[in-house]
Amino acid sequence: DGGITQSPKYLFRKEGQNVTLSCEQNLNHDAMYWYRQDPGQGLRLIYYSQIVNDFQKGDIAEGYSVSREKKESFPLTVTSAQKNPTAFYLCASTDRGNTGELFFGEGSRLTVL
Amino acid sequence: RKEVEQDPGPFNVPEGATVAFNCTYSNSASQSFFWYRQDCRKEPKLLMSVYSSGNEDGRFTAQLNRASQYISLLIRDSKLSDSATYLCVVNIILTGGGNKLTFGTGTQLKVEL
Repeated sequence: DGGITQSPKYLFRKEGQNVTLSCEQNLNHDAMYWYRQDPGQGLRLIYYSQIVNDFQKGDIAEGYSVSREKKESFPLTVTSAQKNPTAFYLCASTDRGNTGELFFGEGSRLTVL
Repeated sequence: RKEVEQDPGPFNVPEGATVAFNCTYSNSASQSFFWYRQDCRKEPKLLMSVYSSGNEDGRFTAQLNRASQYISLLIRDSKLSDSATYLCVVNIILTGGGNKLTFGTGTQLKVEL
């Protein structure tokens, strides 16, 4: 079955450590996105990529980094520079030619201890 | 002013009630519109797209008013299983064909016996 896989589902890290969240899709979608969601809030865009080897900052990119070396993969690194990293992180993809329907992974819940 | 605004609720309604949510958007260049449903601690899932002519899917009806820049979602004969957060999503198609999707903060619905 086609879909988006995020891992790990739950992650705990100490302050000052970098952590990388994995996102893989087998939908052959061109565009991929990373969102962050905090309790009681909507989704905020961190980074997005429309094609391989290209990505753009979203609204809250500070303290995060991404890469897009393969069409299927769009990992997100939460660096120690991110001041408040505890959140629910969602990866999504969409076919670049469509009207914008997003397909989401199940999310990764990061807790900084 | 936020790009996409929703009343956060919660809306507590009895089973069988009809409930309506509105969502306003600020960018008149917005081109496509969606309602997503998000269950607690889960990823959002597409509920329905919203078309200018209005569209219906079973108990759910979505409307778009471009002149006033709002979209609405009507749920008839609400069920306990409709309890969730409903996210309004507005899309702008970027130069080059990509999508910029902006999420509202969501409206929480609780259907009670």
